[in-house]
Amino acid sequence: DIQMTQSPSSLSASVGDRVTITCRASQDISSYLNWYHQKAGKAPNLLIYAASSLQSGVPSRFSGSGSGTDFTLTISSLQPEDFATYYCQQSYSNPLTFGGGTKVEIK
Amino acid sequence: QLVESGGGLVQPGGSLRLSCAASGFTFSRYWMNWVRQAPGKGLEWVAKIKEDGNEKYYVDSVKGRFTISRDNAKNSLYLQMSSLRAEDTAVYYCARLIYRSTWNWFDPWGQGTLVTVSS
Repeated sequence: DIQMTQSPSSLSASVGDRVTITCRASQDISSYLNWYHQKAGKAPNLLIYAASSLQSGVPSRFSGSGSGTDFTLTISSLQPEDFATYYCQQSYSNPLTFGGGTKVEIK
Repeated sequence: QLVESGGGLVQPGGSLRLSCAASGFTFSRYWMNWVRQAPGKGLEWVAKIKEDGNEKYYVDSVKGRFTISRDNAKNSLYLQMSSLRAEDTAVYYCARLIYRSTWNWFDPWGQGTLVTVSS
């Protein structure tokens, strides 16, 4: 199984900050990497697919990069509605696996 | 839109059947999935089923205990869970799998249904 490791597991940031979350795969997954965010008590929502493609309707302050084993989600200017938990997920092979999550909290 | 139902409290060793009603898209054209989230924990993919129901895949921890199925005439996805354990306690989400060439991703997700396994 492919293990997905996110870092950090949590971070505190202020509105307007640039935030970067990293995700590392235990083997080469090319660009088969997706990002979701999840607000407390809600279902996850897709942000980025295929490592760097922005889902329709998602603000342009979100961006994704990387390929192979190392990936990054960047929020260029954190907004109040962005405080949530973020998950990466590999779609390279079964079982589909998620990272452990990164909780973004208000500083 | 995806709407799950069927969750509840069940004793260890018991069974439960979850349902997911789909609307707003052609259900029969998509792979469908179940993903779960234990309380306070991360996301875990559980199972997926092909458009016609002829291919199914499971995470190892549920193989032989859970069965995913679908009824395209009813636009519905199911998860039959048996021999339930405390560690199966979670919110269960159904999610559509979108394919574009070889890439795929979950979108949308249902609101989830809570399964609690406890005596």
